[in-house]
Amino acid sequence: DTAVSQTPKYLVTQMGNDKSIKCEQNLGHDTMYWYKQDSKKFLKIMFSYNNKELIINETVPNRFSPKSPDKAHLNLHINSLELGDSAVYFCASSLPWGGRDEQFFGPGTRLTVL
Amino acid sequence: DAKTTQPPSMDCAEGRAANLPCNHSTISGNEYVYWYRQIHSQGPQYIIHGLKNNETNEMASLIITEDRKSSTLILPHATLRDTAVYYCIVSVDASGSRLTFGEGTQLTVNP
Repeated sequence: DTAVSQTPKYLVTQMGNDKSIKCEQNLGHDTMYWYKQDSKKFLKIMFSYNNKELIINETVPNRFSPKSPDKAHLNLHINSLELGDSAVYFCASSLPWGGRDEQFFGPGTRLTVL
Repeated sequence: DAKTTQPPSMDCAEGRAANLPCNHSTISGNEYVYWYRQIHSQGPQYIIHGLKNNETNEMASLIITEDRKSSTLILPHATLRDTAVYYCIVSVDASGSRLTFGEGTQLTVNP
């Protein structure tokens, strides 16, 4: 049973396209996150949702829009993809916001924009 | 925000203890120290966290100095599967939910 799953695992697309990455967690957690890991391997938080409410919104272009239909899912939609969006995107989840509990990460989605 | 400094790489012999240091001299009183690791191409994995007392779990031990300006992660009996990048993170806000990953230490466990 996968705790945090992401689809797709790989995504190759052309510049200017719109794409979505899906994330689901079956841990019963209230908080979910999206991170971006670039080619230099730096892992940066992008968004965090707690019970479907946006809590963290780092300096991310408006082309990135997270959507949480329920607390078990946090999807990431990206409009007008650019070359610089190529990266590995990780979804994570944790117990309630501020609980200082560990974050469980998904396997990542490798996005390549051509 | 408290910044962490870690050596870029370390080596360890299989079966020996791996001691990974981390400096966080600007840490504030309510900030926790977290350790995560990332095995190649996988998502990061939580290891341990602490505030000021030493902590131990089934994976590792965390030793935090009395002044809290540095810490050491100890893997007591390193195996080849422990080869990974290890991140020492000081929580950016009081909730502990906003983690900022630095460059980490590439630990290579050799047979």
